[in-house]
Amino acid sequence: EAGVAQSPRYKIIEKRQSVAFWCNPISGHATLYWYQQILGQGPKLLIQFQNNGVVDDSQLPKDRFSAERLKGVDSTLKIQPAKLEDSAVYLCASSLDGVTYEQYFGPGTRLTVT
Amino acid sequence: SQKIEQNSEALNIQEGKTATLTCNYTNYSPAYLQWYRQDPGRGPVFLLLIRENEKEKRKERLKVTFDTTLKQSLFHITASQPADSATYLCALDPPSSASKIIFGSGTRLSIRP
Repeated sequence: EAGVAQSPRYKIIEKRQSVAFWCNPISGHATLYWYQQILGQGPKLLIQFQNNGVVDDSQLPKDRFSAERLKGVDSTLKIQPAKLEDSAVYLCASSLDGVTYEQYFGPGTRLTVT
Repeated sequence: SQKIEQNSEALNIQEGKTATLTCNYTNYSPAYLQWYRQDPGRGPVFLLLIRENEKEKRKERLKVTFDTTLKQSLFHITASQPADSATYLCALDPPSSASKIIFGSGTRLSIRP
């Protein structure tokens, strides 16, 4: 079975620019997560989708971050405008449903903001 | 506020010994606790899940314990191998959708031959 796909793998932008990340979860997985992982820290949940509805976005900086999951399959996470402190790895994960807690992670996108 | 603490220092173990990693939490009542492995440049990989009403879970050379009174989970790797070298993350799942999953910062484990 194909894993969680993410693109791009690496991105370097200047502060105040915008950037978008794409995630395609494992086929049939209803729940999709976006995490931010800063170097030396554990992943921090930004937003959780159940199909195409938002379950939790309490830690998403909504003044600059947005995410969508149209049609309940793939998802995009956007940052506009980016700040230096947004430099991190952005991980996408999926799980079968909201009851099965085992998550499958993609390889992540490493974002550097200069 | 909710807090998770894992061994802050890296753990160096001789091959063949048992590695024990600790995950402590405060101000939280998780329904589930998960352990993940993360290699450099890669996403975390699920290892084990233990429920609040389970004391112990095993999978091959891995064993997880969960003490809700002490608010602690221990993760053991027996007969450790250099290939077990990685960062290990614990994650707490909430009992309801009112709370969100929280990951610890991880413990870096090195197994020397």
